[in-house]
Amino acid sequence: NAGVTQTPKFQVLKTGQSMTLQCAQDMNHNSMYWYRQDPGMGLRLIYYSASEGTTDKGEVPNGYNVSRLNKREFSLRLESAAPSQTSVYFCASRRLAGGEQYFGPGTRLTVT
Amino acid sequence: ILNVEQSPQSLHVQEGDSTNFTCSFPSSNFYALHWYRWETAKSPEALFVMTLNGDEKKKGRISATLNTKEGYSYLYIKGSQPEDSATYLCAFMVRNAGGTSYGKLTFGQGTILTVHP
Repeated sequence: NAGVTQTPKFQVLKTGQSMTLQCAQDMNHNSMYWYRQDPGMGLRLIYYSASEGTTDKGEVPNGYNVSRLNKREFSLRLESAAPSQTSVYFCASRRLAGGEQYFGPGTRLTVT
Repeated sequence: ILNVEQSPQSLHVQEGDSTNFTCSFPSSNFYALHWYRWETAKSPEALFVMTLNGDEKKKGRISATLNTKEGYSYLYIKGSQPEDSATYLCAFMVRNAGGTSYGKLTFGQGTILTVHP
């Protein structure tokens, strides 16, 4: 049981490049989330998927898109990376309403 | 934008000290309050999920209380150990119009605890 996995672990992009961050969970959770973590800012929600087939914006969605590919997988896409998107990205999943979230190991992204 | 505040921002204590931190959150549309522990180079892990006013939860030497009417929660660590060193995050979950929640969490900035041997 791997829990929540994320790929890649590290990535360096040039401004304007695109990439997709992958997230998968094997806990049969309904809801999945993407956060970014910046120094002094805490964790901020980018997008979430309350259930398979639905996605919605969080607090900081600009510059990102998401796809809930199936119940297991939730990807985050940067279409045209900007230095302001340099951050650590965490994926999380949750089974029950109000229940705890389980976090992946994070992806450290640097945009130069 | 929901405002979730944690204090203090950082804390240094000696091994064996007891300590506590505060989380303040909106007192309206409350659904749940989460506490997470986040060790360096790891992912956040849930400590407590609290839903009822007056709730008290305990896990080993760590406990938490909840006051939803005034919008605060306290996290206590009794007899701190060096392995308790971590960032402690609280997160507020808002109730939606249907009385449930989409599970969206608004996190505080965290309290960084360092326990010196």
